[in-house]
Amino acid sequence: ETGVTQSPTHLIKTRGQQVTLRCSSQSGHNTVSWYQQALGQGPQFIFQYYREEENGRGNFPPRFSGLQFPNYSSELNVNALELDDSALYLCASKLSVGELFFGEGSRLTVL
Amino acid sequence: GENVEQHPSTLSVQEGDSAVIKCTYSDSASNYFPWYKQELGKGPQLIIDIRSNVGEKKDQRIAVTLNKTAKHFSLHITETQPEDSAVYFCAASMHQAGTALIFGKGTTLSVSS
Repeated sequence: ETGVTQSPTHLIKTRGQQVTLRCSSQSGHNTVSWYQQALGQGPQFIFQYYREEENGRGNFPPRFSGLQFPNYSSELNVNALELDDSALYLCASKLSVGELFFGEGSRLTVL
Repeated sequence: GENVEQHPSTLSVQEGDSAVIKCTYSDSASNYFPWYKQELGKGPQLIIDIRSNVGEKKDQRIAVTLNKTAKHFSLHITETQPEDSAVYFCAASMHQAGTALIFGKGTTLSVSS
């Protein structure tokens, strides 16, 4: 149990729709990261937030956006969903340079 | 950018045997190397990590070794048990604010009793 909770656990969307995924960080952690994990692959870094500011971004298009709130919870928003966006989306939290702890993920299926 | 290669992709052992998973990285600036275990339907769980100023680290049945010159690191599991069956991922990063973990593609470990 890492203390990182994500919602929803599963969801199904159709191509072109928008989705919002939510994450509650482990208590005291000021940094949250989002990763995309396709089936059979390792997690790929989407972006990271530190004290409500984005301070790192992977190779993902602008339709992937995020927010971090004052209580350090976070959202991942994906616009104009594509079939290839189907994946497990993982939220992870840490102190600024500490170990990274993952939640159980949100499984997104795009039809 | 950083690239992490992981081998083997699948590994089957008998209960009680040892298992070794190897990773190589490309960016000599990387200085932090964690290992994660992911069980079916769950998120990755940190099991051990090592920093570049250390050559080896042990935690009960698990150990990690690092060779900075060759840019490779390995996970060693001794006395494997059926509950060790999972997917294992290695990762590398510069372990500073704003940098990401770069993951390998994973190794599916199966321990049969």
